[in-house]
Amino acid sequence: DQQVKQNSPSLSVQEGRISILNCDYTNSMFDYFLWYKKYPAEGPTFLISISSIKDKNEDGRFTVFLNKSAKHLSLHIVPSQPGDSAVYFCAASEVGGSNYKLTFGKGTLLTVNP
Amino acid sequence: KAGVTQTPRYLIKTRGQQVTLSCSPISGHRSVSWYQQTPGQGLQFLFEYFSETQRNKGNFPGRFSGRQFSNSRSEMNVSTLELGDSALYLCASSLDRGLEQYFGPGTRLTVT
Repeated sequence: DQQVKQNSPSLSVQEGRISILNCDYTNSMFDYFLWYKKYPAEGPTFLISISSIKDKNEDGRFTVFLNKSAKHLSLHIVPSQPGDSAVYFCAASEVGGSNYKLTFGKGTLLTVNP
Repeated sequence: KAGVTQTPRYLIKTRGQQVTLSCSPISGHRSVSWYQQTPGQGLQFLFEYFSETQRNKGNFPGRFSGRQFSNSRSEMNVSTLELGDSALYLCASSLDRGLEQYFGPGTRLTVT
């Protein structure tokens, strides 16, 4: 049973435009969410996170939105740059639980075209 | 501060053999987690260690095991390798509770 889902395996956008990556989760116990970026032959790099007490968190060009009622989060990248081309993973965790782990989606390959 | 390091980076083994992978966390991080990444499957959680104790384990067979040393360095072992164990094995460290984990470059294991 996949508790974190990224339904779009790939996304292609033009440089300078907005990239929107989506993620859905089913476990209502999740209360902390993260986005990671991964280049080939490298480990995932932490990008941005959000706690369930917030509905938005910004860091430079990256903004994560959380809709708890819909169990949905999204990552917005504005403006998109060719260097943003990578696989993006959504992950979730329970802050107060005893499961000391992140549950990941399968990733979305973002391609930013010059 | 140095990042998470993993050794070796690449490994080729044959079916039935065993393998040990090593991970050194970021200095000061006491939590170490291991993940398996295979094509199309995302990152699958293997186990997490904190202060030499395994706190959580994923749904992997008993052939997959790990340990953590007093200096927080961790090793994972896979015995009786199968072709399906070919994957990228990632180690991640964090201060505690597994949040905001920082990943190493991974060990690419190929089983032939």
